[in-house]
Amino acid sequence: GQNIDQPTEMTATEGAIVQINCTYQTSGFNGLFWYQQHAGEAPTFLSYNVLDGLEEKGRFSSFLSRSKGYSYLLLKELQMKDSASYLCAPSGNTPLVFGKGTRLSVIA
Amino acid sequence: ETGVTQSPTHLIKTRGQQVTLRCSSQSGHNTVSWYQQALGQGPQFIFQYYREEENGRGNFPPRFSGLQFPNYSSELNVNALELDDSALYLCASSLAISDGGGAFFGQGTRLTVV
Repeated sequence: GQNIDQPTEMTATEGAIVQINCTYQTSGFNGLFWYQQHAGEAPTFLSYNVLDGLEEKGRFSSFLSRSKGYSYLLLKELQMKDSASYLCAPSGNTPLVFGKGTRLSVIA
Repeated sequence: ETGVTQSPTHLIKTRGQQVTLRCSSQSGHNTVSWYQQALGQGPQFIFQYYREEENGRGNFPPRFSGLQFPNYSSELNVNALELDDSALYLCASSLAISDGGGAFFGQGTRLTVV
C-alpha cells in the first residue's frame, strides 16, 4: 500500500520562504509529483522529481530523497495568490495516490 | 490549459438517481484516471483505464463504473446516488501508465446530491 504524510496546515507571511514537507511509503517508486490546488479548482501540476536532489523552477523548487522517502516543496517570495493546498503524490506501480495535502495561508 | 476537459462543470442530482460524467483526454494520452475529492480532502482514486481496459481500482463500490472509448475519452457512471457522493470529480490523463494517470487534470465536475 501507500502512505503519505504532509502537514495539514501552514501559515506564512507575504515575501517569505516556506517549505512543505512530504514523507511517503510506496511500492515500485518511480517519482514524485507536486500539485497546487486552489479552493474549488482542479489540481495543477507543479513538479515531478525522479532523481535525488533539488529542482528549481522559478519561485518554486522541489527536493527528493528516494532513500529517505522524503520530498519537500520550497516556495520563495511568497505572494497572496500562493494561498492554496499543495498535494504531494508518489508515483509507483499503482495509480497516482494523493495525501490530504497541505493548506497554505499567506498573510500580509 | 491542460487539454483535458470535463463535462458538465456542475450538476445537481437527487438521491437514488444515476449520473454520467465525461472526460476528454489530452491528445495522444491513452491512460485516464478518475478521482473523487470531498471538501477538505485530497483526491481519492476511483479507477484507471488504459487503452479501454480497467487497469486499477480504488476502494469504491461497484455502483461506480467507467468506460474508456477508442479515442481515449472516458466516462464515469455512478448508480443509486447517495448524499455522500457529493464531491468534485476529477479526471487526469497521461501517456505513461506507470505514472498512474499522470500530471494533467481536467477542471472537474462538481456533483451535488440532494
